[in-house]
Amino acid sequence: AQKVTQAQTEISVVEKEDVTLDCVYETRDTTYYLFWYKQPPSGELVFLIRRNSFDEQNEISGRYSWNFQKSTSSFNFTITASQVVDSAVYFCALSVIGNTDKLIFGTGTRLQVFP
Amino acid sequence: GAVVSQHPSRVICKSGTSVKIECRSLDFQATTMFWYRQFPKQSLMLMATSNEGSKATYEQGVEKDKFLINHASLTLSTLTVTSAHPEDSSFYICSARPRTSGTTYEQYFGPGTRLTVT
Repeated sequence: AQKVTQAQTEISVVEKEDVTLDCVYETRDTTYYLFWYKQPPSGELVFLIRRNSFDEQNEISGRYSWNFQKSTSSFNFTITASQVVDSAVYFCALSVIGNTDKLIFGTGTRLQVFP
Repeated sequence: GAVVSQHPSRVICKSGTSVKIECRSLDFQATTMFWYRQFPKQSLMLMATSNEGSKATYEQGVEKDKFLINHASLTLSTLTVTSAHPEDSSFYICSARPRTSGTTYEQYFGPGTRLTVT
């Protein structure tokens, strides 16, 4: 069975702090995708990143960076120099290739960035 | 590109009535569409997967007779909540997988529909 765990329910930081959101996944499959989505108060999901299980390279996009480690089944997300606009709920998700393509979401981490 | 719309964005209905929610892929054809439900401060839970021209596949615990899904064309899927009750009040989100996505398994999400049953 597949599972995604986001142990941090809520995180509060002050603007300009760095913050890391943890994601641990479980799957017996060797081929899968991992995702991060942002859900601002408006409710619309914003796609942030998709990572193939065969690509363990870390990725950086502006203030965002992702650390994928298969050895620990983790796909952590770091926001550098956080801003108030980063306040949202962030979801990590897993999709197993070959098992339809449904997404299994974690429970989400609510990030609040205070000015 | 890859825009998915949902209509309505918000709906309030009385208990016992039925509500239809539309999900449209505006600039691509979607062979597969997914319907999720999200209760307040909770995660997204997949309700069903629909493929164009065939019956939807429902997740365990989702009543297919209550949540009717129709994927009549490559750009439109509808979710009808029949005989709605207050406990059906939730945020319903659809996503669409482009016909051309191949093995990338991309999905594009709609903005969601907030259903309130009084």
